[in-house]
Amino acid sequence: QQPVQSPQAVILREGEDAVINCSSSKALYSVHWYRQKHGEAPIFLMILLKGGEQKGHDKISASFNEKKQQSSLYLTASQLSYSGTYFCGTVSAGNKLTFGGGTRVLVKP
Amino acid sequence: DAGVIQSPRHEVTEMGQEVTLRCKPISGHNSLFWYRQTMMRGLELLIYFNNNVPIDDSGMPEDRFSAKMPNASFSTLKIQPSEPRDSAVYFCASSLTGGPITYEQYFGPGTRLTVT
Repeated sequence: QQPVQSPQAVILREGEDAVINCSSSKALYSVHWYRQKHGEAPIFLMILLKGGEQKGHDKISASFNEKKQQSSLYLTASQLSYSGTYFCGTVSAGNKLTFGGGTRVLVKP
Repeated sequence: DAGVIQSPRHEVTEMGQEVTLRCKPISGHNSLFWYRQTMMRGLELLIYFNNNVPIDDSGMPEDRFSAKMPNASFSTLKIQPSEPRDSAVYFCASSLTGGPITYEQYFGPGTRLTVT
């Protein structure tokens, strides 16, 4: 069963912040975040392995609440280059990465 | 490193024809994944291999799909016979894998398959 992402889409002005949420019904070993631009392959952003741990990639950071089986991705001071579709991927028993439906992000000047 | 290599990049074929997609993973990676991406179903895992052995093929749609990994540097995904609903972008990805925790996956550029 795939994780659920919200919102499905978000439009930002350059410099604004946004949060993308990812939740699973299963106990998780890890959460991955990827970004895909139109017509390209998904690119790895970060992986979260421990409950409550926050990781960062430039001004993009994420948290993982292991008890709630949830993760959030934070886009801070968004840049035009942040536009794309963001996918969370969850790893549970079976060591298989299952992707959510994606969140489309559009950053406007 | 050249990254994950996929061929062909685009494939247009007629319904009923056999289609073979190819993938070369990053050297040293011991896990390989085949994904299918469509607007309706998103990014779906079809099958993954660990050390050339298929571990989970529960995502393979039906018997028309088959995948092989004869060695650590090559894998194929075959569709026979192809149908219009198989039209999608097929991605191959590779990673290092240890225990229950998966490392980051590196995706190839994808093969855009159109079945008419």
